[in-house]
Amino acid sequence: NAGVMQNPRHLVRRRGQEARLRCSPMKGHSHVYWYRQLPEEGLKFMVYLQKENIIDESGMPKERFSAEFPKEGPSILRIQQVVRGDSAAYFCASSPQSGGGNEQFFGPGTRLTVL
Amino acid sequence: GENVEQHPSTLSVQEGDSAVIKCTYSDSASNYFPWYKQELGKRPQLIIDIRSNVGEKKDQRIAVTLNKTAKHFSLHITETQPEDSAVYFCAATPTGNDYKLSFGAGTTVTVRA
Repeated sequence: NAGVMQNPRHLVRRRGQEARLRCSPMKGHSHVYWYRQLPEEGLKFMVYLQKENIIDESGMPKERFSAEFPKEGPSILRIQQVVRGDSAAYFCASSPQSGGGNEQFFGPGTRLTVL
Repeated sequence: GENVEQHPSTLSVQEGDSAVIKCTYSDSASNYFPWYKQELGKRPQLIIDIRSNVGEKKDQRIAVTLNKTAKHFSLHITETQPEDSAVYFCAATPTGNDYKLSFGAGTTVTVRA
């Protein structure tokens, strides 16, 4: 059973460009979470999705950021018009169910660098 | 929302000694407290977790204790080994949003051979 997959692992963008980060959850998992990790900081919750539904996007900036988890295919975190402050590691996690006590399995992360 | 504080930020121990990391949380109704280990450049991995109806849990050389009254929980690593060197994160899930892990800032543990 493959773990959570993310691609690309490293992404370099210039200011103003768009970044698309992909996450394929573990087989059998229908819940996906995105977290952002700034250098030497803990992970910060961004958004929680189920298939075709955004459940909670309270941690995501209101502008430039969007997320989706279509019926088919991976979950996508999209950042438009990137700025240097968007440079971070973005991790997605998945779980078979939601709720406290259900382990979230993390992917290897995408390290975004904005020049 | 939930606020998790973690101490110390760095910890250096001699191989074979014990390491203790402490976390406090703000939401008294939080009910799930996982600990993740993250090696340099790699994904966070769950190493142990505890639920609010349990005071202590042990798994080989690692143990976690929870004090609900004081709203703090701790990770204990005994007989440390070089492969224990990593960043450790505690987390808590707040009431009403129990999927939303709130992480501490992390503790960088270095085990000296």
